[in-house]
Amino acid sequence: EAGVVQSPRYKIIEKKQPVAFWCNPISGHNTLYWYLQNLGQGPELLIRYENEEAVDDSQLPKDRFSAERLKGVDSTLKIQPAELGDSAVYLCASSLGLLPHEQFFGPGTRLTVL
Amino acid sequence: KNQVEQSPQSLIILEGKNCTLQCNYTVSPFSNLRWYKQDTGRGPVSLTIMTFSENTKSNGRYTATLDADTKQSSLHITASQLSDSASYICVVSAGYNTDKLIFGTGTRLQVFP
Repeated sequence: EAGVVQSPRYKIIEKKQPVAFWCNPISGHNTLYWYLQNLGQGPELLIRYENEEAVDDSQLPKDRFSAERLKGVDSTLKIQPAELGDSAVYLCASSLGLLPHEQFFGPGTRLTVL
Repeated sequence: KNQVEQSPQSLIILEGKNCTLQCNYTVSPFSNLRWYKQDTGRGPVSLTIMTFSENTKSNGRYTATLDADTKQSSLHITASQLSDSASYICVVSAGYNTDKLIFGTGTRLQVFP
């Protein structure tokens, strides 16, 4: 069984440029999460989807970040425009949405903003 | 404020030795506590999940303990291997029937031959 797939694995862009990350969750997982992880820190939740609905986006900086999960399967996270402080690893995770809500993480996308 | 603190921040041990990582939390209401292993450049992988009523849970050479009274957990690694070199993150689920997770900052473990 394939795990959570993310692409690209690495991205280097100049500040003020747009960037997008893609995530395909484990088949059958209706809950999808996007996390941001800074170096030496634990992941921080950006947004959580139940199927195609964003049920928790309180930590998403909506002035420059957007996300979508149009068909309730794969998802895209976008930053426009990127800032130097956005350099981090962006992790996607998925779960079945049942207790204990075990989350399975993808390998992440490492973003470097120059 | 819900918080998860881990110690030590980093640890170096020799291959074959045992080690114990600590986690203290102030999360309410408490649902469950997880330990994740994160290899460099990879996403976190779950090692154990413990609910309020569980005191200990093992996964191979990894044994996690939970004291819900003192709000402390530990992860003990037995007979360490080079492949154990990774960050170990303690995560607490806040609330009943919820997937809201509070992450610690992790302990960076390095195992040398």
